[in-house]
Amino acid sequence: DAEITQSPRHKITETGRQVTLACHQTWNHNNMFWYRQDLGHGLRLIHYSYGVQDTNKGEVSDGYSVSRSNTEDLPLTLESAASSQTSVYFCASSGIDSGYTDTQYFGPGTRLTVL
Amino acid sequence: QQQVKQSPQSLIVQKGGISIINCAYENTAFDYFPWYQQFPGKGPALLIAIRPDVSEKKEGRFTISFNKSAKQFSLHIMDSQPGDSATYFCAAGGTSYGKLTFGQGTILTVHP
Repeated sequence: DAEITQSPRHKITETGRQVTLACHQTWNHNNMFWYRQDLGHGLRLIHYSYGVQDTNKGEVSDGYSVSRSNTEDLPLTLESAASSQTSVYFCASSGIDSGYTDTQYFGPGTRLTVL
Repeated sequence: QQQVKQSPQSLIVQKGGISIINCAYENTAFDYFPWYQQFPGKGPALLIAIRPDVSEKKEGRFTISFNKSAKQFSLHIMDSQPGDSATYFCAAGGTSYGKLTFGQGTILTVHP
């Protein structure tokens, strides 16, 4: 069955370190998204990609970067981790169904703690 | 312009009751309105979605009501069950692009 996976599921790091969160999907979806979830803020879009070599900034992109070298993967990098980036991170993917926005399928999440 | 406002932040309902969660949006270009359900420790999953060509969509105990002129939509859960206890997110998007704007989320607790 097609799926979307994230690794690691839990990560503790120190302020200033570079951290990369992995996202891998086997849906063969063109669209991939990274969100962070914080209480009271819902899901906020960090970066997204509509295909290989395409990346776009979301509403909370400062301090984060992504790259898309193939269809299956969209790793999220925190260049210099800050305590404000402690959060739960979700990756999602979607295709295009008959020209309409298609369902986004979410991964299980990565809980990141920055000390 | 891109905001989606969701209320209430938390909701407690007795088993068998009706749960109602409301959302309002600003961007008139939005034409796709899904609701996602999230259980603790899991990623959100699509529950039900509506497009603005209809005012209501029902799937089992879950109904979306849509008011285009007021730029509001709501989720109604009939005969609420303890298994419905979860966080619910409304979202809005456009058919010309794949990204969604999510509301702040509602934590629903259904007491047995």
